[in-house]
Amino acid sequence: GAVVSQHPSRVICKSGTSVKIECRSLDFQATTMFWYRQFPKQSLMLMATSNEGSKATYEQGVEKDKFLINHASLTLSTLTVTSAHPEDSSFYICSARAADRGNSPLHFGNGTRLTVT
Amino acid sequence: GDSVTQMEGPVTLSEEAFLTINCTYTATGYPSLFWYVQYPGEGLQLLLKATKADDKGSNKGFEATYRKETTSFHLEKGSVQVSDSAVYFCALSDPNSGGSNYKLTFGKGTLLTVNP
Repeated sequence: GAVVSQHPSRVICKSGTSVKIECRSLDFQATTMFWYRQFPKQSLMLMATSNEGSKATYEQGVEKDKFLINHASLTLSTLTVTSAHPEDSSFYICSARAADRGNSPLHFGNGTRLTVT
Repeated sequence: GDSVTQMEGPVTLSEEAFLTINCTYTATGYPSLFWYVQYPGEGLQLLLKATKADDKGSNKGFEATYRKETTSFHLEKGSVQVSDSAVYFCALSDPNSGGSNYKLTFGKGTLLTVNP
């Protein structure tokens, strides 16, 4: 089945630094990837939709200058948390859908646990 | 806008008990419906799906039927196991809400704990 790889699985960084999270589709091409944020005991909140070769579409209330998204190829999207603060600590999950399929299920990465100290 | 409401947890059951997790939805179009499962420390895995009314999705002993008349997609399993302990998310994908991106809208999740 389709596999989405997310790296790193855990990262601890100091306040003020930037962290990059990678999301790769391993066996399919994905023109669209989605980035979610999950707070403890909460549902997933869609942050942005990453489109290959164009600018990401951010959900209302998500700072695009803080959460930089780059989707440079059909198999890779990156999320960079810039100038991280403790309140950015969260579980970030990416997902992707095969490029040649319409309303098909999303495949999720295993998530990245970000802790900002 | 689209929304998904699922029963609040946590749900605690003994092994071999019957499980029901309720899920209802609101959508502007004709959505596809999904159940995802999240094991501790992991991302989400698709458990089952249904794309049109009266469809029944099933996998690993879990079932859910797409009920358009009641806008529901309740998850059931006849006999749960300890290994079923996880968080379960109901979700919908409405082709009318996101253009070609078919964004997923999730419920808040239900934590299931199965004791031996």
